[in-house]
Amino acid sequence: QTVVTQEPSFSVSPGGTVTLTCGLTSGSVSTNYYPSWYRQTPGQTPRTLIYNTDTRSSGVPDRFSGSILGNKAALTITGAQADDECDYYCVLYMGSGVWVFGGGTKLTVL
Amino acid sequence: EVQLVESGGGLVQPGGSLRLSCSASGFIVSNFYMTWVRQAPGKGLEWVSVIHSSGDTDYADSVKGRFSVSRDTFKNTLYLQITSLRAEDTALYYCGRGRPTFHFDYWGQGILVTVSS
Repeated sequence: QTVVTQEPSFSVSPGGTVTLTCGLTSGSVSTNYYPSWYRQTPGQTPRTLIYNTDTRSSGVPDRFSGSILGNKAALTITGAQADDECDYYCVLYMGSGVWVFGGGTKLTVL
Repeated sequence: EVQLVESGGGLVQPGGSLRLSCSASGFIVSNFYMTWVRQAPGKGLEWVSVIHSSGDTDYADSVKGRFSVSRDTFKNTLYLQITSLRAEDTALYYCGRGRPTFHFDYWGQGILVTVSS
């Protein structure tokens, strides 16, 4: 069974840059998986940040960017702010009508 | 304005059944693929099922054979019939709208399903 991997937690200083990654236990992530990224604060609905690898959703600041780095999808946040502190999830489209979420990364800004 | 509103959750005993609803407004459900995603307490998001605009359906292995997704075109509503419920099905269930680039752009507020005796 394919598992999508994310760092369980990450820390960044205010104003700093952080890159979160999204990989596979078997194989490499490519644009063919249409990686997308969502953020979620506790008790809130997920919000789309990035889709189709690197396209920002409407209203998402350009501090957020998506890419493929090596064999993983990546979400880079530049100029980190306090309200960037939340959970970040990637999801990959595996084909045949199936999606798989990563386990999420809890980002701390301090 | 696009809105998704889930309903139908609650407390159910193991082995029981429940039907979740997701009422949509601002768009036509049958023109999009629609998905269900769940989140167990304190855990991450888990993709559950999808109904394509064609009406075809797909499911995560963890729910295949127990969950069934459908829609009512006239009511513009999505449903998730969940049966043979287990404790591990306890979660907040979200419905979402899918886009051609295989992502979800709108989500409901979620509805809680608790499986317990």
